[in-house]
Amino acid sequence: DVVMTQSPLSLPVTLGQPAAISCRSSQSLVSGDGNTYLNWFHQRPGHSPRRLIYKVSNRDSGVPDRFSGSGSGSDFTLKISRVEADDVGIYYCMQGTHWPRTFGQGTRVEIK
Amino acid sequence: QVQLQESGPGLVKPSQTLSLTCSVSGGSISSGSYFWIWIRQPAGKGLEYIGRIYSSGTTNYNPSLQGRVTISLDTSKNQFSLKLSSVTAADTAVYYCARDPGGSGPGVWGQGTLVTVSS
Repeated sequence: DVVMTQSPLSLPVTLGQPAAISCRSSQSLVSGDGNTYLNWFHQRPGHSPRRLIYKVSNRDSGVPDRFSGSGSGSDFTLKISRVEADDVGIYYCMQGTHWPRTFGQGTRVEIK
Repeated sequence: QVQLQESGPGLVKPSQTLSLTCSVSGGSISSGSYFWIWIRQPAGKGLEYIGRIYSSGTTNYNPSLQGRVTISLDTSKNQFSLKLSSVTAADTAVYYCARDPGGSGPGVWGQGTLVTVSS
């Protein structure tokens, strides 16, 4: 299985400040069709995960432009330009290139 | 807007079969290019992709659960189901159903249902 490694695992942030989460995969996520299937999800306590970003950098509908995804190959980053209170929770990266699909361990974002 | 809702027993005895159903509203499970999937999350832990079924009925299962898991479609009821046999306490988790377009990951999720394996 492709191992997805996130860092940090815990991220205390100050409101209004930027934040960044790294996700590295044990294999390249470039698919045979040329796409790179690296996706990001946000899960608030007691809620289902919600997809934020798909294929590295495409924001889902309704996702604020404070969120951005970047990277290539096996090294990816999710950035929040200015953290808001609503952004707390756990962020997961997930690869959709190889079977079985796998998730990172999750990064817990909390407000300082 | 497509919505998904899981249902099924919240308590299953060890060695028995866990059975869950996901009811889909706002769209047909037999049309469109989507996979209908199951993901689980043990309390306080991360996400595990269990398996998926395409609208054509083709299935793919996580090898870690291969042999114990079956996902099926019921197009007449616009539902899909999960069966996991020979369960143990390690199968205790919140189980989510979701719609997945493929590599881009699940964009629509159910609310999740907690299944506890205990005698």
